[in-house]
Amino acid sequence: QKEVEQNSGPLSVPEGAIASLNCTYSDRVSQSFFWYRQYSGKSPELIMSIYSNGDKEDGRFTAQLNKASQYVSLLIRDSQPSDSATYLCAVIDSSASKIIFGSGTRLSIRP
Amino acid sequence: EPEVTQTPSHQVTQMGQEVILRCVPISNHLYFYWYRQILGQKVEFLVSFYNNEISEKSEIFDDQFSVERPDGSNFTLKIRSTKLEDSAMYFCASSETEPYSNQPQHFGDGTRLSIL
Repeated sequence: QKEVEQNSGPLSVPEGAIASLNCTYSDRVSQSFFWYRQYSGKSPELIMSIYSNGDKEDGRFTAQLNKASQYVSLLIRDSQPSDSATYLCAVIDSSASKIIFGSGTRLSIRP
Repeated sequence: EPEVTQTPSHQVTQMGQEVILRCVPISNHLYFYWYRQILGQKVEFLVSFYNNEISEKSEIFDDQFSVERPDGSNFTLKIRSTKLEDSAMYFCASSETEPYSNQPQHFGDGTRLSIL
């Protein structure tokens, strides 16, 4: 059974600080990784994708991938209250046409 | 920006009744998916669909479930005889190409299904 693991949180970060979210995955041959943001009662919204080892930056977001350690992370710089949400790590199942989601980390940005 | 649309936003149905959830994927996308999320739990894959047939389905997607693309735009999920445990948010998603090509899946706003 392929798994994607995340700390459920809640992770509380002061406004303006860096929020760091982590994810590990079990499928060694996975090549595609995504971070989705989900507000309560809403659908997952894609915020970052990463396919190569290293860092990928997009505005205040940086995704980091380490395939050797089977680890992917998301950094949010200058955290805003609107960043308060559940962040879902998602991995493409390399043997099937589907995404495997982690259970999500609830992030709370305190003013 | 193009988006995936789902109707209805909320469906209330008596146990044992049939329900059809509807989705309009992004127009140039070729792969379609259904996921569900039981309240407080993770998003779970149900089924993927390409070229008018199922590509992959999970163990959740049993004989009570079916999918169809009845015309050029709609993609539907039918649950034949609903159970209480089918109560969940159902998300439709679509992608431009096959998932292992690195194309992300874009999600609709979901249908909240409540079984009484």
